[in-house]
Amino acid sequence: DVKVTQSSRYLVKRTGEKVFLECVQDMDHENMFWYRQDPGLGLRLIYFSYDVKMKEKGDIPEGYSVSREKKERFSLILESASTNQTSMYLCASSSHLAGDTDTQYFGPGTRLTVL
Amino acid sequence: AQSVTQPDIHITVSEGASLELRCNYSYGATPYLFWYVQSPGQGLQLLLKYFSGDTLVQGIKGFEAEFKRSQSSFNLRKPSVHWSDAAEYFCAVGGYNKLIFGAGTRLAVHP
Repeated sequence: DVKVTQSSRYLVKRTGEKVFLECVQDMDHENMFWYRQDPGLGLRLIYFSYDVKMKEKGDIPEGYSVSREKKERFSLILESASTNQTSMYLCASSSHLAGDTDTQYFGPGTRLTVL
Repeated sequence: AQSVTQPDIHITVSEGASLELRCNYSYGATPYLFWYVQSPGQGLQLLLKYFSGDTLVQGIKGFEAEFKRSQSSFNLRKPSVHWSDAAEYFCAVGGYNKLIFGAGTRLAVHP
């Protein structure tokens, strides 16, 4: 079974703090993704990565950055947290393998509250 | 533009009743289609997916979905709902290594 883990289930930070959300997958997947989930808006893609040290902006990258130094780990960074970044953050991974392309496997999520 | 629409925000059914959750998509090529389920406070779990072939797809937990190209739909069905099916359901369309998600349908189950 694919396992995607996220470093925290719940996180409370103050406005202006630098926040790191960590995601690790154990299936040697090439692709990794960060989403935020808000009621009524579904999942919105923040950033994704096709390979180590590669990253591409998703639909809502403003206020976020990412780091992928190792294949299994993908970090989301909030450089200066703001209250409008209070949300559920979901990490996912997927493979390049034919027949499984685009099937994303999700972590349990991190609920971030910025005060 | 690529998009996914789930017309129903909330649905309530009685336990044992049948269920159909609607999903319509807009996509330029032959899509890959997915249904995911999210229990409260959890991540998303894959229920089923359609890549090609038989347009009726079987998934986990007794769910199935039917791809109808002419209607650009991929509706999720279950013949008899259990109380444990109460959750939020997301339809997604994919291609080129990315997924586009609908806004979700929240399912409540009455005993």
